[in-house]
Amino acid sequence: DSGVTQTPKHLITATGQRVTLRCSPRSGDLSVYWYQQSLDQGLQFLIQYYNGEERAKGNILERFSAQQFPDLHSELNLSSLELGDSALYFCASTLDNMNTEAFFGQGTRLTVV
Amino acid sequence: AQKITQTQPGMFVQEKEAVTLDCTYDTSDQSYGLFWYKQPSSGEMIFLIYQGSYDEQNATEGRYSLNFQKARKSANLVISASQLGDSAMYFCAIGKDDKIIFGKGTRLHILP
Repeated sequence: DSGVTQTPKHLITATGQRVTLRCSPRSGDLSVYWYQQSLDQGLQFLIQYYNGEERAKGNILERFSAQQFPDLHSELNLSSLELGDSALYFCASTLDNMNTEAFFGQGTRLTVV
Repeated sequence: AQKITQTQPGMFVQEKEAVTLDCTYDTSDQSYGLFWYKQPSSGEMIFLIYQGSYDEQNATEGRYSLNFQKARKSANLVISASQLGDSAMYFCAIGKDDKIIFGKGTRLHILP
């Protein structure tokens, strides 16, 4: 158990809908990263938060947004969903901003039908 | 920008043999971190080992060791005495400036 909790584990939704994925980092970790893993794209970095502030953005679509709350949990919002958004979405947490020993949650498998 | 290259899409290794998974990286930074993760068929990403760019000694964690050659920008993972449970996808990653960038992975098959 990595200590990073992601909910839900599985999500099936229709095109055009909106979903929210939730991540609770390991106790004491301040930094949260979101990744998308699809079959043909590998692990794509989406966005990173540190202590409530957005610190880095990767290949995140405008239809996607995220935030980190005062209790340090983070949510990834995906809207106007398309078939191509079907993927495994991971969050990872680290103690600080220094990229040491990043631990991943079990992921949320999103299927858009 | 950082880049990770894993040149072995797949490998087949006999059980109990040692395995070396290749990873090269490209960065102009002096300070960065290197990671290896294991992803079994169940899908979770399991952290294996971390090496900081200023660490002089190669990182080791049980049967895993990271062969860090900074001048060659190489960070190969060595798994000693491989086991059937080591069959999985392995990802190398580099961390710097609030991002952790992953390679495309190597699928390792351990044969009985």
